[in-house]
Amino acid sequence: AQSVTQLGSHVSVSEGALVLLRCNYSSSVPPYLFWYVQYPNQGLQLLLKYTSAATLVKGINGFEAEFKKSETSFHLTKPSAHMSDAAEYFCAVTPSGSSASKIIFGSGTRLSIRP
Amino acid sequence: ETGVTQTPRHLVMGMTNKKSLKCEQHLGHNAMYWYKQSAKKPLELMFVYNFKEQTENNSVPSRFSPECPNSSHLFLHLHTLQPEDSALYLCASSQESSGSWAAKNIQYFGAGTRLSVL
Repeated sequence: AQSVTQLGSHVSVSEGALVLLRCNYSSSVPPYLFWYVQYPNQGLQLLLKYTSAATLVKGINGFEAEFKKSETSFHLTKPSAHMSDAAEYFCAVTPSGSSASKIIFGSGTRLSIRP
Repeated sequence: ETGVTQTPRHLVMGMTNKKSLKCEQHLGHNAMYWYKQSAKKPLELMFVYNFKEQTENNSVPSRFSPECPNSSHLFLHLHTLQPEDSALYLCASSQESSGSWAAKNIQYFGAGTRLSVL
């Protein structure tokens, strides 16, 4: 069985500060891992994905995530927050090579940016 | 035209009404999904269609009835809903065959329909 746990339903950082959103996964087989972002009044958009190639994955808008097998983590980071980063972020997992219908989403972390 | 289009964007309905949500994807995908997104709850997968055939129904009440006439269109027919059904309903699509491994596993979402049941 697979699952993802996002630590912290709400994270607030100052503009220009480091963004760190935490995600831990549980999977009995090698996983594919994803981060999706949802801006207000919009659907989810893929930010980045890990599919067993490089463990450090770069995504859109300056975000990146590192797959750490020993820690079963896939935390999302951005060196300098921008006001436009305010959104809901979802971590997701699926068994490697499986259908997209098997994807499991975390409960989400709402990111707020203080001026 | 955006990849996945949902209409209407907002819907208010009474418990005795019948309405339908529409989803259209312009990406050439062969799988489509309905999700329910409620406040403070994880995203709930409702239905999956693969090549127009329903492959998953995650214990969704019968007052929600999906229809997939072709690979590009997906409907969610609603009748006798309850106030707790108020939520954002998201449609998504993906390519489930013949694509590269990099293209698989990725779902593309519409902007959703915000449903309020009075």
